[in-house]
Amino acid sequence: DVKVTQSSRYLVKRTGEKVFLECVQDMDHENMFWYRQDPGLGLRLIYFSYDVKMKEKGDIPEGYSVSREKKERFSLILESASTNQTSMYLCASRVSSGNTIYFGEGSWLTVV
Amino acid sequence: SQQGEEDPQALSIQEGENATMNCSYKTSINNLQWYRQNSGRGLVHLILIRSNEREKHSGRLRVTLDTSKKSSSLLITASRAADTASYFCATDGRSYNTDKLIFGTGTRLQVFP
Repeated sequence: DVKVTQSSRYLVKRTGEKVFLECVQDMDHENMFWYRQDPGLGLRLIYFSYDVKMKEKGDIPEGYSVSREKKERFSLILESASTNQTSMYLCASRVSSGNTIYFGEGSWLTVV
Repeated sequence: SQQGEEDPQALSIQEGENATMNCSYKTSINNLQWYRQNSGRGLVHLILIRSNEREKHSGRLRVTLDTSKKSSSLLITASRAADTASYFCATDGRSYNTDKLIFGTGTRLQVFP
């Protein structure tokens, strides 16, 4: 079975802190994604990566950056956390375009 | 911006009834997928339908795709309380430069025993 693991399930951070959300997949997938999910807004794409060291902005990249130094790991970075970044963050991966996407369990981030 | 929009936003039915959810999208697609999300968890893939297909079945699930209307529907037959979840459609847009998968806002389904 494909496994997408998000390192932290629940985090509480202070405004202005730098936050790292880590995601690892074990199936040699090319594509990896970071979404955030908020009530009434569905899933919104923050960033995605179609290969190692490659990244593309999604619909809401402001305030976020990403890193993909190794194929299995895709990190989401909040350079200076703000309260409007309180949300559930979902990491996902898939082998390549047009295929099923596999999700992690999500990371609940609260910024106070 | 969101590619897909689900309708209705929320749906409540009794066990044994059928549940139908609709999804509309804006641009040409390669395929359309449906996902399910239990409360507070990640999403799980249900079914994928390609742009040259009109209907697909998987167990109690039936998905239709009408590319002329840019819409899809998900039918869950003989629903069970365990089907209570949110359901999302997602599209892989043909017009995009790279391979991003865009989700709709979801339909919350509540099935009462």
